Amino acid sequence: ETGVTQTPRHLVMGMTNKKSLKCEQHLGHNAMYWYKQSAKKPLELMFVYNFKEQTENNSVPSRFSPECPNSSHLFLHLHTLQPEDSALYLCASSRGATSGTTDTQYFGPGTRLTVL
Amino acid sequence: TQLLEQSPQFLSIQEGENLTVYCNSSSVFSSLQWYRQEPGEGPVLLVTVVTGGEVKKLKRLTFQFGDARKDSSLHITAAQPGDTGLYLCAKGPNRDDKIIFGKGTRLHILP
Repeated sequence: ETGVTQTPRHLVMGMTNKKSLKCEQHLGHNAMYWYKQSAKKPLELMFVYNFKEQTENNSVPSRFSPECPNSSHLFLHLHTLQPEDSALYLCASSRGATSGTTDTQYFGPGTRLTVL
Repeated sequence: TQLLEQSPQFLSIQEGENLTVYCNSSSVFSSLQWYRQEPGEGPVLLVTVVTGGEVKKLKRLTFQFGDARKDSSLHITAAQPGDTGLYLCAKGPNRDDKIIFGKGTRLHILP
């Protein structure tokens, strides 16, 4: 138990569906992250939020839409996805980096997404 | 783009054997992290190394950061089935340097 929870754990959706992934952290952290983990690629950083503000969008297609209503919750809204978007989507949180120090990230268990 | 190359990609060995996996790059890192990810779970941080030549031990796991801070190794002594998982190395992160992961080494320890 890392203090970061994700729901649902598994999701199957069609290409025309709209769904949302939810992440919640109970660690009092200020930064939250979405990652995509595919079978043949390194773990890819998608979005970063610091103090509810998006500070990084790593060239993610607009069919993925993040939302961070507060420092404890992070959502990833999905619409008109493609089969190649099937992957494990991981959420992480951290205290939020100060310059010169390493900021440890704590990961949730992930949502296994399958797009048909 | 700073790439992290991990080797081997896959490793399957018998319980009780020793093993070493590697993480290499052409760039210098301010810090490097090792994670283990078990099936159905997210990665869990094992260690952060910061100083060139640094060696850290975590029970049967020994982590070393290269003198030039471009590479790192993870050595496991007397491997156990519980060591099975995906071992990821990652550069950073800090405010000035976003995190980048290697593809990982998938380790399977046979009982």
